[in-house]
This record gives sequence, structure tokens and C-alpha cells, in this order.
Amino acid sequence: DTAVSQTPKYLVTQMGNDKSIKCEQNLGHDTMYWYKQDSKKFLKIMFSYNNKELIINETVPNRFSPKSPDKAHLNLHINSLELGDSAVYFCASSLQTGTAWEQYFGPGTRLTVT
Amino acid sequence: TQLLEQSPQFLSIQEGENLTVYCNSSSVFSSLQWYRQEPGEGPVLLVTVVTGGEVKKLKRLTFQFGDARKDSSLHITAAQPGDTGLYLCAGGEYGNKLVFGAGTILRVKS
Repeated sequence: DTAVSQTPKYLVTQMGNDKSIKCEQNLGHDTMYWYKQDSKKFLKIMFSYNNKELIINETVPNRFSPKSPDKAHLNLHINSLELGDSAVYFCASSLQTGTAWEQYFGPGTRLTVT
Repeated sequence: TQLLEQSPQFLSIQEGENLTVYCNSSSVFSSLQWYRQEPGEGPVLLVTVVTGGEVKKLKRLTFQFGDARKDSSLHITAAQPGDTGLYLCAGGEYGNKLVFGAGTILRVKS
């Protein structure tokens, strides 16, 4: 199936640990994103890559480091995890339709930091 | 960063009722998208509107983009339990950046 996939689905870890989330899309899109959805369901962009190049970097702690080995993959590494990092992280890819960038989201990774 | 306000935050209605969700901003957006998200899944795109005053219909769902491209509405006719979910509006900012509203949780009871 063509889709955006991300692993793991659930991640439970302790404060101070380092963890990674992987994302892959086989839709042939050039642009990929990481979003964070908090407990109130608010969805906020963190990073965006276009063809492996970082183009959007919102106000995110530098403990978060995205890496795009190729345009089909965008991984997120988080150092020194904190309680406030607990959230659902969504990977997405997008297709430009006219002036609009339509997002295709992965299933999310629920990160719980204890 | 531009802000999008969605209302209502929560809506609980009976099957068969009609409803409207609003998405408002003081800023102009290049496009406006609506997504629906179900528990445990990622948001799924429902529609994109780009022209001021544009109206799009998707079965029982009607989407409208305001003339000034600052607001949008989603109207559902004869809601069904399958419509239950979180509805998110998202405005297109510069480049490929989307700004999301806080969402409307819709529950349709049978």
C-alpha cells in the first residue's frame, strides 16, 4: 500500500534517555514534515524537509534533531528526553496542488516520558 | 505565525441533526484545508479551498472559504455516527507551512 509509515507506534521511556522515531513515505513526495500533537489535540509543525534539505525549523529545542537520508525518509532523534516531550508525533509528506500543500499523515507515534 | 480559531471546541449531537464548524482568523491564507482525525490515527485530508468565496461539497459535507480568505466553515447535513471525529482546519502560510486550528471534537450519537 502507498502510505506514510512511522515506527514505533508507541514509545515509553524515562527522562534523560535518547530515542528515535523513523518515518518513510512511498508516495513519491518531495516534502516531509514532523508535527507534534499535544494532549489538547493541538497540532504544530516542528520541521519540514524538501528533497533532503531543511526548509522549516520552528522554535523547537535543539534536543530534537531531524535527519533525512533521502527524500523518502525523515527520522527524528530526541536527546535527553523531558516530561514535556510526551505527545503524539506525526510524520507527514505533502504534495503541492496549485498554491496548497496537501498533507498526508502517518499513524503517529505516542511518546510517553516517565 | 498566523492564528486560526475554531469553534465550537466540542459538539455532541444526535444522528440526523445538522451542524456547522467555524474556522476564523484575522489573517489572509493562501489556502484552507479541512482534515478529519479518528482516535489513534493521523489526520486525513477532506478538502482544500483556495479561492475566496469558494464552496465545495463532499457528499453531506459542505465547505466554504470566506470571500476575504480569512475564514472557513464546514457544514454537515444529517450527521451520522460515522462522522464522529476531530475536525481540523489548516491555513496555508508562506511556502509549504500549514497552521492548524485547535480542532473541533464531534460526537454523533445514534
